[in-house]
Amino acid sequence: SYVLTQPPSVSVAPGNTATITCGGSTIGTQGIHWYQLKPGQAPLLVIYYETYRPSGIPERFSGSGSGNTATLTISSVEAADEADYFCQVWDSSSDHPYVFGTGTRVTVL
Amino acid sequence: QAQLQESGPGLVQSSQTLSLTCTVSGDSISFQAHYWNWIRRPAGQGLQWIGRIYSSGSTDYNPSLKSRVSMSVDSSKWQFSLQMRSVTAADSALYFCARDRSVGDFDLWGQGVLVTVSS
Repeated sequence: SYVLTQPPSVSVAPGNTATITCGGSTIGTQGIHWYQLKPGQAPLLVIYYETYRPSGIPERFSGSGSGNTATLTISSVEAADEADYFCQVWDSSSDHPYVFGTGTRVTVL
Repeated sequence: QAQLQESGPGLVQSSQTLSLTCTVSGDSISFQAHYWNWIRRPAGQGLQWIGRIYSSGSTDYNPSLKSRVSMSVDSSKWQFSLQMRSVTAADSALYFCARDRSVGDFDLWGQGVLVTVSS
C-alpha cells in the first residue's frame, strides 16, 4: 500500500487559519476524507470526498485539492479544534482499500 | 441515529487471542446496508485499518494482518466481532469500530476500547 504524508504538527493562534496538507501519488484519482480525533471521543468525519462537509460540521472546516495534494483548512480556529487530524483515501480495487495519512496534531496556542 | 459501542477485555496476554465486539444501536436498516470495520491506533501512532465485514458475512482484511485476523457478524444482535490471534505488545492500541456507508468513508465511529497486551 502507499503512503499519505501529513505534517506532524500545526500550531495556530485562536481566530487564525490552520492548513493541513495530505500528499500522495494517487490522491488526484481517489476520494479523500478527513477525520478529527480527540481523546476519549469517537472520531469525527469532517470532510468527505475532498470538499463535502457532513451535516453538523461547522463551515469553518473546508477541503480542497490540487494535483497530488489535498488540504484541510480550518478557518477562525477555536480552542475546541485542537485535535489530531487524519486524511484517508479509498481504493475499491485494492486488497487494502482504506489508507490513512500519517496524521497531524493541531495545537491552538 | 445509529451509535457504535466497542466492548471486550482491556488486557490480553501475549500470544493469546484478542476478541472485541461492536454493537450497533439505533438503526437496524443501517446494519444491513453498510460495511462494518475495525480500525486501531497504537499509542503515539497513526490509524491502521484492520478489516471489514458486510452483513452477509463477506470480509476483507488488511494484508499485513490477514494471517491473524478474523471477523464475524451476528445480525440478530446487531453485532460484529474481531478476533486477532497470537497477539504481541505491538498489538496494544486503541481499537475502534466504524461504519463505511459504502462510499469509502467512515461516517460513524465508536469511542474506542483500549487494549493492552501484557507479557
